[in-house]
Amino acid sequence: DIQMTQSPASLSASLGETVTIECRASEDIYSNLAWYQQKPGNSPQLLIYDANSLADGVPSRFSGSGSGTQYSLKINSLQSEDVASYFCQQYNNYNTFGAGTKLELK
Amino acid sequence: QVQLQQSGAELAKPGSSVKISCKASGYTFTSYYISWIKQTTGQGLEYIGYINTGSGGTNYNEKFKGKATLTVDKSSSTAFMQLSSLTPDDSAVYYCARVILQPNLRYYFDYWGQGVMVTVSS
Repeated sequence: DIQMTQSPASLSASLGETVTIECRASEDIYSNLAWYQQKPGNSPQLLIYDANSLADGVPSRFSGSGSGTQYSLKINSLQSEDVASYFCQQYNNYNTFGAGTKLELK
Repeated sequence: QVQLQQSGAELAKPGSSVKISCKASGYTFTSYYISWIKQTTGQGLEYIGYINTGSGGTNYNEKFKGKATLTVDKSSSTAFMQLSSLTPDDSAVYYCARVILQPNLRYYFDYWGQGVMVTVSS
């Protein structure tokens, strides 16, 4: 199974700040990577697919990048509504998820 | 708009089974597979498997073979997951999710249900 190592596990940031969350795959996943946002008490919502494609309706302050085994999610100009947990998912070889990053406001 | 409406919370005894549902609306049900995902605090998100809503064909994560059984009722646009021989380790929130299947047969999930909490306790 492909292991997804996500970092950091938790993050505290200020409004307006830029935040970066990373995922490292145990082998090349050829950009077959998605990012999801899960607000407290809610189900996950798709943010990014194919490593860097923005899902419908997702604000442009969210962006994804990376290749090979290293991927990142960047949130520009952090808003209060971005407080959530974020998960990566590789779908190159079956499906596995990262352990998540909990983002809080400082 | 696309919606996946799941059934309510379940409290079950060890050794029993539960069957949870996922009713789809807002799109052509048979045009998209449905997947099921388990979420726990300890193990995070775990992929269970998918069902081809048109043919009823299924694919399971090896870990959940024998534990989960996926079925579908096209007439009501509803997918089901039965969990059998329940143990406390099966206590979790279970989500259904609509599958985006790419030409290369890889897939991710664009809409998720609200989740069903299953608690296994004597």
